[in-house]
Amino acid sequence: DTAVSQTPKYLVTQMGNDKSIKCEQNLGHDTMYWYKQDSKKFLKIMFSYNNKELIINETVPNRFSPKSPDKAHLNLHINSLELGDSAVYFCASSSALDEQYFGPGTRLTVT
Amino acid sequence: QKEVEQDPGPLSVPEGAIVSLNCTYSNSAFQYFMWYRQYSRKGPELLMYTYSSGNKEDGRFTAQVDKSSKYISLFIRDSQPSDSATYLCAMSATGNQFYFGTGTSLTVIP
Repeated sequence: DTAVSQTPKYLVTQMGNDKSIKCEQNLGHDTMYWYKQDSKKFLKIMFSYNNKELIINETVPNRFSPKSPDKAHLNLHINSLELGDSAVYFCASSSALDEQYFGPGTRLTVT
Repeated sequence: QKEVEQDPGPLSVPEGAIVSLNCTYSNSAFQYFMWYRQYSRKGPELLMYTYSSGNKEDGRFTAQVDKSSKYISLFIRDSQPSDSATYLCAMSATGNQFYFGTGTSLTVIP
């Protein structure tokens, strides 16, 4: 049974489109995250939610908007996609002061 | 200067070798330290989690933290081809927001 799941796994789209990535965790964790991993494998935090409340909002273009309908879900909506948005996006979850469990990633390619 | 510095490698070793992976950091407030392993096209998975300074051992893996030098290490003994992956260090001051290194790519040759 998958702990942290993301959909879709692959996403190929054109510049200017709007797309969403969904994340769900069944671990009962209070905190969820979105990370972006570039082609050089650098993993950078974008957002963190704790009990549906935004607690970390790194310097990310406001074209990126996270939404947490409940503490088991954290979705990422991206408007007006740009070539530089191409990356692998990872969702993760954790309980307080504990390890983060990562999802399998969503490989986004913007053409 | 990045919060966390990690040599990206690539590192290539023969099977059975001892592997040493390292990260340095600049923020003296960091007190939570993690090592993740990431296989190609997969999400990172936790290997070791250490709080504050000292050593921690788990099977063939040993994590060391030297806060005075702002330096952490991961040692892999008797390396196996299945250890071939990218290893990411991560650290945090609060246990909420973690800063990751760029990852070191390791290949263990049979």
